[in-house]
Amino acid sequence: GAGVSQSPSNKVTEKGKDVELRCDPISGHTALYWYRQRLGQGLEFLIYFQGNSAPDKSGLPSDRFSAERTGESVSTLTIQRTQQEDSAVYLCASSLTGRTEAFFGQGTRLTVV
Amino acid sequence: KNEVEQSPQNLTAQEGEFITINCSYSVGISALHWLQQHPGGGIVSLFMLSSGKKKHGRLIATINIQEKHSSLHITASHPRDSAVYICAVGFNQFYFGTGTSLTVIP
Repeated sequence: GAGVSQSPSNKVTEKGKDVELRCDPISGHTALYWYRQRLGQGLEFLIYFQGNSAPDKSGLPSDRFSAERTGESVSTLTIQRTQQEDSAVYLCASSLTGRTEAFFGQGTRLTVV
Repeated sequence: KNEVEQSPQNLTAQEGEFITINCSYSVGISALHWLQQHPGGGIVSLFMLSSGKKKHGRLIATINIQEKHSSLHITASHPRDSAVYICAVGFNQFYFGTGTSLTVIP
């Protein structure tokens, strides 16, 4: 596609349920990032994928969070047993090499009720 | 101390004014990004800088690597420029400033 695509754009889930968020990066981009922005707060780094290297998971807030990426394609961010504090906009970005301009998706707004 | 500091935090300007937003950072970087976030939450990348200066329309971004400082300038500001402007720096992960909320009044 022309840009980074995220789905769903909005998700409301009940506390305790698992959710899966999807990111389609720009074709050919080797680097993919997930970020989170909770209401009224800044952007927080979650995880970084670069090609076939082991991902940098240092930003994942707990073991309820996991992310996968197959090669240089789609990535999914999974949150298990969601909590209300997980409510946030989850943003995905990709860049050609990780040292070039990053392009951001529009985000998935997650609300845990 | 945050790795990335932005100033001002809030800025109100009259339409047509020249606007400057500043970003200072303490981490090593491969590149610095200026991002724009509109009220709906969507983020657009405005610039990626590793040195010097870039211009796109009414927007100009500069970076001084030695001083670890970047500025984003908006010439002839317009109400549609109203948004939060965020500075981001880093290598594999980005460190984000807290953003500058800009309101341009007609």
